[in-house]
Parts: sequence; structure tokens; C-alpha cells
Amino acid sequence: AQKITQTQPGMFVQEKEAVTLDCTYDTSDQSYGLFWYKQPSSGEMIFLIYQGSYDEQNATEGRYSLNFQKARKSANLVISASQLGDSAMYFCAMREVLGNNDMRFGAGTRLTVKP
Amino acid sequence: DSGVTQTPKHLITATGQRVTLRCSPRSGDLSVYWYQQSLDQGLQFLIQYYNGEERAKGNILERFSAQQFPDLHSELNLSSLELGDSALYFCASSGSIEAQETQYFGPGTRLLVL
Repeated sequence: AQKITQTQPGMFVQEKEAVTLDCTYDTSDQSYGLFWYKQPSSGEMIFLIYQGSYDEQNATEGRYSLNFQKARKSANLVISASQLGDSAMYFCAMREVLGNNDMRFGAGTRLTVKP
Repeated sequence: DSGVTQTPKHLITATGQRVTLRCSPRSGDLSVYWYQQSLDQGLQFLIQYYNGEERAKGNILERFSAQQFPDLHSELNLSSLELGDSALYFCASSGSIEAQETQYFGPGTRLLVL
């Protein structure tokens, strides 16, 4: 069964600095998608970035980039130039192409950006 | 704004009762997913519908059921409610059932069972 691990329950970063949120996953499938979502205190889930298992380049979306290391089964989220509004919970998720169609989420990392 | 709408935003009810949560997917999206987020279980996939048909089931209790209507909106029915059903229920939608398709989440319905 697929499993998503986020080892950092909480992280602090200084405003304007970069931060890396860790995510490792476990799957025996070759084809899968990896996603990162942000959940601010208001509760909604906001899609940030996607990486396909066959994508050769690391995904980037504005200040977000994904450090994808397939052999290590890791998909770390890098946020550059942190802003106060980045303070939120961040969830890593995976979905297998041949799987049950469900998306599995990690436990999340709470990021706090300090002014 | 993801384009996915959910009603109601908050719901307070008593044990043993039944509630219905409603979701309207993004315009053009055929696939709808339901998730439950609780403090002890985290985010869990419940069920998926695609164009009116059930496609996948996750950790959905027998007391829970869902359906997707011809206009593609979906309803999640929770019955014989227990204290442990208190959670944030999300609906998400995507254009297809492909694994790489991004799921866009609604704002959620916060259910409190007293």
C-alpha cells in the first residue's frame, strides 16, 4: 500500500528566506503523480504544485518548486522568498495510475513564517 | 477560489441524526471526490464518482453514502451520526479520472456532532 511520510510536524522560517518541506513516499508502481497542497488556518485546501513520476524536470510554480528524487522516493517542496501568508499546513499527496483512484495524504507540516 | 462549492459551511447536529452535505464541482469537471479530515485520522479518501457512476471507494463507513446527480453535483449522506464523525468534509473535483489530474478542493463542511 502506498504511504506518504512527512517527518517535520512543524517548521519555522524567517520571512524572505527559503524553506524545504520534506516528503517521502512508498509505492511499487512506476507511474504515479505527486501533489502538494496548502491549508491555511481558514481550512480550505489549495493546490500548489504537481510532479509526474515520468517528468524529467522538477516542477516549478512561481515561488514553489518540487525537488523530485525518484530513486530516493522523495518529493520535497521548496518555497523561496517566504512570506507571512505562507504560514499554513502543507500536505504532500500521491496518486498511483494503477491504484484505487484515491489520493493518499501525508500527515502534514505546519509552517510558520517569522517576520 | 477553486470553483468547487460546498454547502453548508458549518453543521452542528446530535448523535444518531442524519445529515446531507452538498458539493458542486468546477464547471466542466466530471469527477467528484469526498474526503474526511479529522485530527486523529488526518485526510482520508472516502469515495469517488465520475459522470454519475461510483468509481472508487476508500475508507467510507457503511453509515455513509454518496451519489452524483445528472447535473454532476454530488451529495454525501451521513447517518446514525456518532461523536467520532465530527470532522471537516471536503469535496474535490477534477476533469477526468487520470491519476495525474489535479484535484481542486472546495472550502469544506465542518461537521460537529454533539
